[in-house]
Amino acid sequence: DVKVTQSSRYLVKRTGEKVFLECVQDMDHENMFWYRQDPGLGLRLIYFSYDVKMKEKGDIPEGYSVSREKKERFSLILESASTNQTSMYLCASRGSVGAPNQETQYFGPGTRLLVL
Amino acid sequence: SQKIEQNSEALNIQEGKTATLTCNYTNYSPAYLQWYRQDPGRGPVFLLLIRENEKEKRKERLKVTFDTTLKQSLFHITASQPADSATYLCALTRGYSSASKIIFGSGTRLSIRP
Repeated sequence: DVKVTQSSRYLVKRTGEKVFLECVQDMDHENMFWYRQDPGLGLRLIYFSYDVKMKEKGDIPEGYSVSREKKERFSLILESASTNQTSMYLCASRGSVGAPNQETQYFGPGTRLLVL
Repeated sequence: SQKIEQNSEALNIQEGKTATLTCNYTNYSPAYLQWYRQDPGRGPVFLLLIRENEKEKRKERLKVTFDTTLKQSLFHITASQPADSATYLCALTRGYSSASKIIFGSGTRLSIRP
C-alpha cells in the first residue's frame, strides 16, 4: 500500500512566522502535489513537482514556495504566514506514466494549520 | 477554464436505499474521471476511475457512469450503510501525461441514517 505521511496533523503559528510542512511518500512516485482545502472551495492546487528539484505552480501559489531535494520528500513553505493561510493542507503523490495505477493520487492525512 | 459541479453540498439517505451523487463538468471532456471518499479530518481516498471511452464501472456496491454527451458522471452506492457516510469528491483529468493536473469538485457530504 502507498503511504503518504505529513509531518504534523495540527499546527498553530503566528502571523509572520515561517512555516514548513513536510510530506514523505514511500512508493517511489515521481509526482507530488500540495493542495489546500477550504469549506465550499474544494481542493485547490498550490504547487506540484514531477521530478527531483522540479516544481510547477498550481492555481494558488502566491505566498507559498516548495522544495524537492529528494524524490520521496516534498516540502511546502509559507515564507511569512498570514491568517488567510489558515486551512487544511493536503499532500499527494502519483506514479508516472506507465506505472501501476498511474492516474490515482494518494493523499496524506492532512495538516490543519491555524495562523493567529 | 474547466469547472466541476457536484449536485449538492449534502445528501441524506435512508439506510438500504441507493445513494446517487452527480458530477457535472463544463468545457473539455476529460481523459478520465475519478471518485474519492473523504472522512472528516482525513485525506481523500481513491474509490473508482472511469475513462472517457467507458460508460460504466462497478466495484462491489459502487457504480460509476460517465456520459460525455451530458458532461456528467453519476456515482451510485447501493444498499447504503451508515458507514458509507462521508464526503465524496469527483475529480477529472484532461490527459495522461505526468503534467496533467487533476481538478477536484468541492464534494457532496453524504449521510446515511439508520
